[in-house]
Amino acid sequence: NAGVMQNPRHLVRRRGQEARLRCSPMKGHSHVYWYRQLPEEGLKFMVYLQKENIIDESGMPKERFSAEFPKEGPSILRIQQVVRGDSAAYFCASSREITDNYGYTFGSGTGLTVV
Amino acid sequence: DAKTTQPTSMDCAEGRAANLPCNHSTISGNEYVYWYRQIHSQGPQYIIHGLKNNETNEMASLIITEDRKSSTLILPHATLRDTAVYYCIVIKETSGSRLTFGEGTQLTVNP
Repeated sequence: NAGVMQNPRHLVRRRGQEARLRCSPMKGHSHVYWYRQLPEEGLKFMVYLQKENIIDESGMPKERFSAEFPKEGPSILRIQQVVRGDSAAYFCASSREITDNYGYTFGSGTGLTVV
Repeated sequence: DAKTTQPTSMDCAEGRAANLPCNHSTISGNEYVYWYRQIHSQGPQYIIHGLKNNETNEMASLIITEDRKSSTLILPHATLRDTAVYYCIVIKETSGSRLTFGEGTQLTVNP
């Protein structure tokens, strides 16, 4: 039973390029959450999605950032025209319809470096 | 969700019990106390959660005071691999409740 899979593990982009981060939730999980952790800072909520729906995007920057969780395939966090300030670790978590005793399961994260 | 307060850092000797406190004085009746930890550069890891009764699993024990305004996470025999930032989070256990991470407690286990 694989955990939450995130890829790539590390991503390097030049300023102005696009970054696509993928998250495959645990089997049976239909809720996905994205978090960002800037260097030496805490984890900040970005967006919560269910299949084909964005439920809460209150933590997502208004411009350049978007997220989706299609009916088939992984959830995608997309950052357009990246800037140096986007360099961070991006973590994805998933949960079931009804939260089980193991709460939310996090992936290993994607480290984004903008050069 | 109720706000939590944790010490910034703590030290513990290897093999001894680590007791990590958390204050959540504004917790309401339907809110659970969750504990997660983040080992350097890794994704957060679920440890344990509870409502009002004390809980124990293979990783830790959770002691919640009778008034539920504070709790203590206990790692009975800390190892070097338990060095991490520990987060105490209070949430309503309904589907879709997002986790709000505070600053947490940096626990350092010393040899």
